[in-house]
Amino acid sequence: DADVTQTPRNRITKTGKRIMLECSQTKGHDRMYWYRQDPGLGLRLIYYSFDVKDINKGEISDGYSVSRQAQAKFSLSLESAIPNQTALYFCATSDGGYETQYFGPGTRLLVL
Amino acid sequence: SQQGEEDPQALSIQEGENATMNCSYKTSINNLQWYRQNSGRGLVHLILIRSNEREKHSGRLRVTLDTSKKSSSLLITASRAADTASYFCATDLRGSARQLTFGSGTQLTVLP
Repeated sequence: DADVTQTPRNRITKTGKRIMLECSQTKGHDRMYWYRQDPGLGLRLIYYSFDVKDINKGEISDGYSVSRQAQAKFSLSLESAIPNQTALYFCATSDGGYETQYFGPGTRLLVL
Repeated sequence: SQQGEEDPQALSIQEGENATMNCSYKTSINNLQWYRQNSGRGLVHLILIRSNEREKHSGRLRVTLDTSKKSSSLLITASRAADTASYFCATDLRGSARQLTFGSGTQLTVLP
């Protein structure tokens, strides 16, 4: 089984709808991250969490919120989706002692 | 704005040839990492080079780092069709609390 899983893998929604993307990991890592990727661009950091009680905004947090329900789970919410949030979303984890990040397979989101 | 910028944006070579891609960055780093992304999938860590290192090898990969020029290069030797992917550099900035900042990537196509 994959170490970092994301659900759903694909989602189509309408403008104004609330949507939640979920991430689970079995790596035992404390640190979790949410990124978005737009075509032809690199990843941009939305939010990150260094432990269950620690949530931090990234470069592009406006329009998003997160919840760290447990060490293994980190959810990303779009409270009122808009078309320019159409993108590929990735969750990642890292062990605080090492700098490498481990990525989930991604969620492809289309906002109509 | 993006910290790392890869060059070229796209590279097409024949199987067996070497592929070189470059990354430039703007501010001081703790380390620089290279990741690979197959089309539409999650990123996979390839190699990490620390700011006090100048060269590192891993299998067919060779990474160099020139902190005076704020640049790094990734060399893939004896390329294979399976190396076709996007390659991203990511910088761990000093004082960034272990956030990674990704470049926009180089799309490598290896023709059989």
